[in-house]
Amino acid sequence: GDSVTQMEGPVTLSEEAFLTINCTYTATGYPSLFWYVQYPGEGLQLLLKATKADDKGSNKGFEATYRKETTSFHLEKGSVQVSDSAVYFCALRVGGSSGGSYIPTFGRGTSLIVHP
Amino acid sequence: KAGVTQTPRYLIKTRGQQVTLSCSPISGHRSVSWYQQTPGQGLQFLFEYFSETQRNKGNFPGRFSGRQFSNSRSEMNVSTLELGDSALYLCASSLGAGGLDEQFFGPGTRLTVL
Repeated sequence: GDSVTQMEGPVTLSEEAFLTINCTYTATGYPSLFWYVQYPGEGLQLLLKATKADDKGSNKGFEATYRKETTSFHLEKGSVQVSDSAVYFCALRVGGSSGGSYIPTFGRGTSLIVHP
Repeated sequence: KAGVTQTPRYLIKTRGQQVTLSCSPISGHRSVSWYQQTPGQGLQFLFEYFSETQRNKGNFPGRFSGRQFSNSRSEMNVSTLELGDSALYLCASSLGAGGLDEQFFGPGTRLTVL
């Protein structure tokens, strides 16, 4: 079946450090890939997405590139802030969009802690 | 525009009991999906409802069930609770029966089974 593997956390960084959170996947079919963020006490929020190979998703300074050859979708940010402290989830979906059948698959999440 | 709301936010039950969780989607959204989040298994898809019909179902036992009402509000029921059912249950809504990029998540209901 489909699966998503994320690096285990917590990842602890100082403010303005460079961030990389690794994500690799296995999927039957051609997936769309997503990064979600969950702040303490809140639900998940879509951070960015990519729907085909070599696409780069970006939002709020975060970036991730869909690498089909390495089945990866690593999350990066050049300079993290304390407010970026949260749990980050990599996810995939194979199948059609509206009206289609799909089962979303999530990684286990990576906790990021940013110190001032 | 109000977001997805879930009630109750916290719940404590004992083994063998049953529980019903409620989710009110964003106004105008017709699809509601449910997820279970645990430290051991991470975030797992339970099921999705669209226009009162179950569209997709994850790999969970029949003790987990749901329904959706004509106003798109959804309830999830877990019968014969087990300790392993302790989790954060998340609800997400979307306009159509769409994918992850169209879903908006609620804050969750924290269920503790003693």
